[in-house]
Amino acid sequence: ETGVTQTPRHLVMGMTNKKSLKCEQHLGHNAMYWYKQSAKKPLELMFVYSLEERVENNSVPSRFSPECPNSSHLFLHLHTLQPEDSALYLCASSQEFGTGGSEQYFGPGTRLTVT
Amino acid sequence: GQNIDQPTEMTATEGAIVQINCTYQTSGFNGLFWYQQHAGEAPTFLSYNVLDGLEEKGRFSSFLSRSKGYSYLLLKELQMKDSASYLCAFADSNYQLIWGAGTKLIIKP
Repeated sequence: ETGVTQTPRHLVMGMTNKKSLKCEQHLGHNAMYWYKQSAKKPLELMFVYSLEERVENNSVPSRFSPECPNSSHLFLHLHTLQPEDSALYLCASSQEFGTGGSEQYFGPGTRLTVT
Repeated sequence: GQNIDQPTEMTATEGAIVQINCTYQTSGFNGLFWYQQHAGEAPTFLSYNVLDGLEEKGRFSSFLSRSKGYSYLLLKELQMKDSASYLCAFADSNYQLIWGAGTKLIIKP
């Protein structure tokens, strides 16, 4: 495996379910990110981890809970979601966080549908 | 406040040149990125500008004017595979990326 991988690629869940999204990066990067992408809207940064420590939490509802057990893995735990949470969830990584030109590498995303 | 704006959709002809503009407002600036995103795929990095001027990379070039809060992505010799959304984003004072909504580029034969 190379780059950034995400599982599952598609997920349908009810509002009372609990599920987790997984992201793994094989690039030796120190920073990882969760983004939400809704149709025709800008990417919304949800969480940033640098060296396994959470750096930013951009006012994300508590029904989204991130976990970063090591620098290669990132999880997004989901519970009691709302239909408006249906979106593409993208994971990304970069060499460092807090440096200007550190480009981000994205995974293919998880298409989440909340019913 | 912070904001960033780019056209929603553009159409161009195969073999031609197209310029996608991006304007932004922010009090803290640490560079501007362009990404390409094909439908159903992940965004991929195209360019990064932190100083004023033009950066050329093959058929793609990116320009930045910090005083005007303006950037553009120039695509030459358009190919059908260039049909995609093009996202601009600037890094703010905390190095967080603030993203535009993307410009969907449609290439016609």
